[in-house]
Amino acid sequence: NAGVTQTPKFQVLKTGQSMTLQCAQDMNHEYMSWYRQDPGMGLRLIHYSVGAGITDQGEVPNGYNVSRSTTEDFPLRLLSAAPSQTSVYFCASSYSYREPEAFFGQGTRLTVV
Amino acid sequence: TQLLEQSPQFLSIQEGENLTVYCNSSSVFSSLQWYRQEPGEGPVLLVTVVTGGEVKKLKRLTFQFGDARKDSSLHITAAQPGDTGLYLCAGNLSGAGSYQLTFGKGTKLSVIP
Repeated sequence: NAGVTQTPKFQVLKTGQSMTLQCAQDMNHEYMSWYRQDPGMGLRLIHYSVGAGITDQGEVPNGYNVSRSTTEDFPLRLLSAAPSQTSVYFCASSYSYREPEAFFGQGTRLTVV
Repeated sequence: TQLLEQSPQFLSIQEGENLTVYCNSSSVFSSLQWYRQEPGEGPVLLVTVVTGGEVKKLKRLTFQFGDARKDSSLHITAAQPGDTGLYLCAGNLSGAGSYQLTFGKGTKLSVIP
C-alpha cells in the first residue's frame, strides 16, 4: 500500500529557479492538498483540490501553482523560488471534503539559497 | 489570528506521568481530528471526533470534543517514550463550502524514560 507518495524527499534550489514537487495517491481520494510546515507556524494550506480539474487557493498560495488533471496526481509548482519558500512541504489526500481525515506523504524538505 | 490554538506549546514529562493537551477555537467545527507527527515524517491520523461531547478512547489516549464543538482535549495516561512527538489538532469549519482543513501549531511532547 503506497498511500501518498511525494518526490523528491530533499531539494536545494537557487533563488529564481523553478521546480515541481510531485504528489501521487493510490487510494482514489477526491480531495488533495498541499501544506507547508515552518517552525512555530504549524501546517499552512497552500492549495487544495476537491476533484480532478478543480483547484482552489488556501492560506498561503502566492508563488505556487497547482493543477489536477487526474484523480491520482496533484503536483505543486514553484514558479520562481525565493528563500522565503524554504520549508517542508506535505501533500495530503482525503476521501472527500466531507470526510476530511487526511493521509499525508512523507514530505519534501526544500531549501532555497 | 490562529483559528485553532493548542496548548501547551511544549511539554516534557517523565515516563508514567499523565498529561492533557488542549485545542481551542472561537469557531464551531463540524469535526476535529488529532494527528501525531514524528521527526522527518508526515502527520498520522489518531482520531476524528464529530459529535459535541463525544469521548473516544484509543488505548491510553482519551480524546474529548467540547459540547459546543469549539474545543477538544487529548489525555494520555501513563505516558511512554513512544508517545513522544508533535500532536496536532485539525478542524473542518462547520457550514457550507468548508473545504479547508485547518491545523493548530501543535504541542511538542517529550516523554523522558
